[in-house]
Amino acid sequence: DTGVSQDPRHKITKRGQNVTFRCDPISEHNRLYWYRQTLGQGPEFLTYFQNEAQLEKSRLLSDRFSAERPKGSFSTLEIQRTEQGDSAMYLCASSLVGDRARNEQFFGPGTRLTVL
Amino acid sequence: QKEVEQNSGPLSVPEGAIASLNCTYSDRGSQSFFWYRQYSGKSPELIMSIYSNGDKEDGRFTAQLNKASQYVSLLIRDSQPSDSATYLCAVKSNFGNEKLTFGTGTRLTIIP
Repeated sequence: DTGVSQDPRHKITKRGQNVTFRCDPISEHNRLYWYRQTLGQGPEFLTYFQNEAQLEKSRLLSDRFSAERPKGSFSTLEIQRTEQGDSAMYLCASSLVGDRARNEQFFGPGTRLTVL
Repeated sequence: QKEVEQNSGPLSVPEGAIASLNCTYSDRGSQSFFWYRQYSGKSPELIMSIYSNGDKEDGRFTAQLNKASQYVSLLIRDSQPSDSATYLCAVKSNFGNEKLTFGTGTRLTIIP
């Protein structure tokens, strides 16, 4: 399977705990994005990387959230001191920079986080 | 005003008919437009992209873009029960901003 992969697919945690999610993009893609989706809403942008550089962060990304993409390959999203409001589907997407690619973003299966 | 607006539905269409999904956007600088299909409990799947005014056809799907009216639509011909899903409209600004802004989606149900 050469699509975007995410791990874990489901995570249940207690309020106050830290969680970390991983995303592996499509192998030749150099851009990687994180979005969050809650029930009945469209995905909301959190942050994106081009290679290893984090180029944009949404104001939704509070100081409890941190994302990394070491060596421009996989990425991790960590949430510290989780709150019940963090419960959502966390989606990773990747794309290939270039005119012909036109920023088509392909999503992984997502990680569903439940904070009790 | 929301940046990307869609009718949330549900939209019910008989099997074999044409389903028409609409989306309006507020940022006149937007240049790239996408339709994603999302089945319940699954992640969004890209089905169409469109960048120029007019129509773009791919199989049973046709995307239509009118930048002057800030309007983009998706037509699904010969609707099948497997088309029942939520359809998300996404827009990308061209001003160095790489994020996609999504609407809330339209839930489509195809009635056999």
